[in-house]
Amino acid sequence: EPEVTQTPSHQVTQMGQEVILRCVPISNHLYFYWYRQILGQKVEFLVSFYNNEISEKSEIFDDQFSVERPDGSNFTLKIRSTKLEDSAMYFCASGSGGYSEQYFGPGTRLTVT
Amino acid sequence: GDSVTQMEGPVTLSEEAFLTINCTYTATGYPSLFWYVQYPGEGLQLLLKATKADDKGSNKGFEATYRKETTSFHLEKGSVQVSDSAVYFCALLNYGGSQGNLIFGKGTKLSVKP
Repeated sequence: EPEVTQTPSHQVTQMGQEVILRCVPISNHLYFYWYRQILGQKVEFLVSFYNNEISEKSEIFDDQFSVERPDGSNFTLKIRSTKLEDSAMYFCASGSGGYSEQYFGPGTRLTVT
Repeated sequence: GDSVTQMEGPVTLSEEAFLTINCTYTATGYPSLFWYVQYPGEGLQLLLKATKADDKGSNKGFEATYRKETTSFHLEKGSVQVSDSAVYFCALLNYGGSQGNLIFGKGTKLSVKP
């Protein structure tokens, strides 16, 4: 069964460093998403991506964040200069339609020290 | 704005016990409702969904009915197993203009003891 994969599973970085979180969505899906979950809090929407551009973004997704689909298979989330409060589990998801089910990856745990 | 509220966990049950995890929502329009499950070390998996009022979603013995009058989507299972131990998330997807971003509850951790 096709699945969404994410790498790395755990990333530790120092404050101010850039990180890139990688995702491989399900191959025939067209809609891609990033969510995050700070420990003990809700899963929160960050950004949606369709047709090589951002469809929607939340207030969390400020200028420090960017997304890219560099090669037709990977979907990346970059945080330019990490802050302590960026420590969270980051989930990638993909779907075949804008309002269809979203399939989630296992997540990347980002720890900023 | 739209929101989802779930009962606080953790919930601890014995095997074969009856499970209810409460979920209520606030939304404009006519959202779709979902339950996702996260097993230890894994990602979020769609458990079941309902797209309109009075729909019942079901999967793996779990059920939830979309109740518009009470804005609820409670998850139930008649007889839980140890393998059901996981975190359960209620979520909504509103068709009111956003491009499909899910709004989640905080999650409820379920532990089932043999």
